[in-house]
Amino acid sequence: QVQLQQWGAGLLKPSETLSLTCAVYGGSFSGYYWSWIRQPPGKGLEWIGEVNHGGSTNYNPSLKSRVTISVDTSKNQFSLKLISVTAADTAVYYCARHEGYSYGSATHLDFWGQGNLVTVSS
Amino acid sequence: DIVMTQSPDSLAVSLGERATINCESSQSVLYSSNNKNYLAWYQQKPGQPPKLLIYWASTRESGVPDRFSGSGSGTDFTLTISSLQAEDVAVYYCQQYFGTPYTFGQGTKLEIK
Repeated sequence: QVQLQQWGAGLLKPSETLSLTCAVYGGSFSGYYWSWIRQPPGKGLEWIGEVNHGGSTNYNPSLKSRVTISVDTSKNQFSLKLISVTAADTAVYYCARHEGYSYGSATHLDFWGQGNLVTVSS
Repeated sequence: DIVMTQSPDSLAVSLGERATINCESSQSVLYSSNNKNYLAWYQQKPGQPPKLLIYWASTRESGVPDRFSGSGSGTDFTLTISSLQAEDVAVYYCQQYFGTPYTFGQGTKLEIK
């Protein structure tokens, strides 16, 4: 059974950099796309970006200027960095696996991490 | 971006009754080359990550009870729970993966009447 375990700092000050890592256990890392999604408290889901095992990335244009997603295939891990955070970046951040890839698009999200609440406050 | 709009925002249904949630996309998510709708449904309970219920608009994920079903094509989709159980209380989201940025509906909160 695939498991995603994520970790990172939970409290940041404005202008600092958010950094989260997600480790994949129990399944193949290669051949999949991996995404970060966030959810502000009491609100809906926002896709942040994705990476594949080869390091190819796609980002949400709304965050593209501040986001970097990278992969470490030797550890079966992928990471999220978001620079210059503000209170608007306060959210639960999830990592997740796309089940496959079809005609130029990664598909549905079948495994999710447990989520990390990141709070940005001075 | 493809905008996903769910209706209603909240829904109260009696135990054993049918619950229906709608999802409309601002453009078609049907890919003509494979005739598949790039649409998924997720269930989220408080304090938990979303759980995949339905993908390709109508394929039930392994382990999901058969009271959950998905239908629709193009721009209009429906998630139906045929006989509501207490454990189905949750927020439900649709999501398109036709293209990036992948986008979600705003969510529908399902409660017991």
